[in-house]
Amino acid sequence: DGGITQSPKYLFRKEGQNVTLSCEQNLNHDAMYWYRQDPGQGLRLIYYSQIVNDFQKGDIAEGYSVSREKKESFPLTVTSAQKNPTAFYLCASIRGGLYGGNQPQHFGDGTRLSIL
Amino acid sequence: SQQGEEDPQALSIQEGENATMNCSYKTSINNLQWYRQNSGRGLVHLILIRSNEREKHSGRLRVTLDTSKKSSSLLITASRAADTASYFCATVSQTSGSRLTFGEGTQLTVNP
Repeated sequence: DGGITQSPKYLFRKEGQNVTLSCEQNLNHDAMYWYRQDPGQGLRLIYYSQIVNDFQKGDIAEGYSVSREKKESFPLTVTSAQKNPTAFYLCASIRGGLYGGNQPQHFGDGTRLSIL
Repeated sequence: SQQGEEDPQALSIQEGENATMNCSYKTSINNLQWYRQNSGRGLVHLILIRSNEREKHSGRLRVTLDTSKKSSSLLITASRAADTASYFCATVSQTSGSRLTFGEGTQLTVNP
């Protein structure tokens, strides 16, 4: 079955530590997205990538970094500069990349990040 | 920035009743989408309505779009306990490519 796999499901970060969240898709989608969701709120865009080796900042990119070396993979690093990282992180992908605006986004099941 | 706003923030109904959720947005859009999120899970796409469409149906779901009022509504008919979830509207603006802007969501509880 095609889909998006996020790992780990739960992650704990210590002070001063960088942590990396994994997102892999086998849908052959061009564009991928990272969102942050705080309790009882909607999704806010962190970073997105429309093609391999290219990515753009979203609305809340500070304290985060990404890479897109392969079409299937879009890992998110939460750096120590992100002072309030506790949240639910969701990865999504879409067919069509830049021209995928009329396609639905497909989501993974998220990673819940907490501070130790 | 979040441009979609859902109303109400929370809705509690009995099984068999209809549930209506509303969404307002600020900019000109290419399309508007509704998603569902079960607790602790990812979002699942429900329905997409384009800016030149006024109404769309999918099973027990009915979505309307009024671009003059910059608003949309999602109606779930004959609700079931399994419909309990958060529902989000999201817009694709005419200048955002494929970027989605999400609202804050409506938490729907359907009581058996």
